[in-house]
Amino acid sequence: QSLLTQPPSASGAPGQSVTISCSGGSSSFETSTVNWYQRLPEAAPKLLIYFNSLRPSGVSDRFSGSKSGTSASLDIRGLQSEDEGDYFCSTWDVSLKGVVFGGGTRLTVL
Amino acid sequence: QVQLQESGPGLVKSSETLSLTCFVSGYSITSDYFWGWIRQSPGKGLEWIGHIYHSGTTYYNPSLKSRVTISLDPSKNEFSLNLGSVTATDTGLYYCARLGAASSWFDRWGRGTLVTVSS
Repeated sequence: QSLLTQPPSASGAPGQSVTISCSGGSSSFETSTVNWYQRLPEAAPKLLIYFNSLRPSGVSDRFSGSKSGTSASLDIRGLQSEDEGDYFCSTWDVSLKGVVFGGGTRLTVL
Repeated sequence: QVQLQESGPGLVKSSETLSLTCFVSGYSITSDYFWGWIRQSPGKGLEWIGHIYHSGTTYYNPSLKSRVTISLDPSKNEFSLNLGSVTATDTGLYYCARLGAASSWFDRWGRGTLVTVSS
């Protein structure tokens, strides 16, 4: 069972914006940083956002991340059909001494 | 360009050991990163299995620790996963990935390999 909670699905029309949330159940999540991954069909997962809001080189600025308290969000603006896929949040869990992931959100571009 | 590629049997019998290998190209696994395994079982989210540092230090998910071994083979620039006493719940898509030594994110992933545990 994921310690990070994401909505199972999200959708939007091309050109619109969508927000995917990620909430943590433990108080330690407040001081943790969040990362986001994109997994497109038949492709390797890709790091989209790290350290709450930073984008790796090559990631479109249509993707942005934020975190406040025990909630984090991934915003995608200007939706494109190629954005369809799964999105996962993750963080480092101090007690686990490892990485925990959210359950994932399936994004559909209508 | 760093690339990771998983390989191994797609079918494993229940109670046996699941063995996978991840070949890394474009980067030496003896340099400053962790090398890890993540899986996704049907209907579930991603689950961190564990990771290993180039020194050989390992970190495992406590829920799997008694059955997991991750090891390095620097001569082949690859690392491996052994998961013992598998059951149907170990069926899933297994990924290898690179984790920064002072970070919490996996910055490079393989495409994953599907493993089915049969009875």
